[in-house]
Amino acid sequence: EPEVTQTPSHQVTQMGQEVILRCVPISNHLYFYWYRQILGQKVEFLVSFYNNEISEKSEIFDDQFSVERPDGSNFTLKIRSTKLEDSAMYFCASRSFRQTDNQPQHFGDGTRLSIL
Amino acid sequence: DAKTTQPTSMDCAEGRAANLPCNHSTISGNEYVYWYRQIHSQGPQYIIHGLKNNETNEMASLIITEDRKSSTLILPHATLRDTAVYYCIVRVPHAGGTSYGKLTFGQGTILTVHP
Repeated sequence: EPEVTQTPSHQVTQMGQEVILRCVPISNHLYFYWYRQILGQKVEFLVSFYNNEISEKSEIFDDQFSVERPDGSNFTLKIRSTKLEDSAMYFCASRSFRQTDNQPQHFGDGTRLSIL
Repeated sequence: DAKTTQPTSMDCAEGRAANLPCNHSTISGNEYVYWYRQIHSQGPQYIIHGLKNNETNEMASLIITEDRKSSTLILPHATLRDTAVYYCIVRVPHAGGTSYGKLTFGQGTILTVHP
């Protein structure tokens, strides 16, 4: 069964450094998402992406964050200057499109980001 | 999207059916009910979803009350591997709203399956 894959599984970065998290969504999907989960807390929505542009973003997704679909397969989340509070699990998800638009999102297994 | 209420935790014996309730009394007519689970900080795993009819797949069954104000996820023969946090999420379709499909996760129900 097709899967969403994320790399790396664990990323350790110094505070203030840039980090790029990578995702390969399921191949025929058209909607892409990033979520994060701080240890012990709820899964939180960050951003949705469709037709090569951001369609919705949360308050968490400030100017330090950006997303890109650089080619036909990858979907990336960049954090420009990381802070300690960015330490979390980051999940990518994708969804196909149908007219009824009730298709579920499918998630990857996440990247654990640790900021030192 | 409508708010959901779930019990904080539940226990189930291995091999028995696990029935996880969810209350979504403010659900509107075009909102779907989705169930996901998360096993030990892995990514949320899609289980099942429905609008008003009961649904069944290889993982579970979803029973939605006639007034759609509550639903129950049924794992017919729970195993130890079903121990996880289960999330009930109500979402309006993109075509009917502006959410573009984002999911709003609550705290979910911690299901513990005992031998």
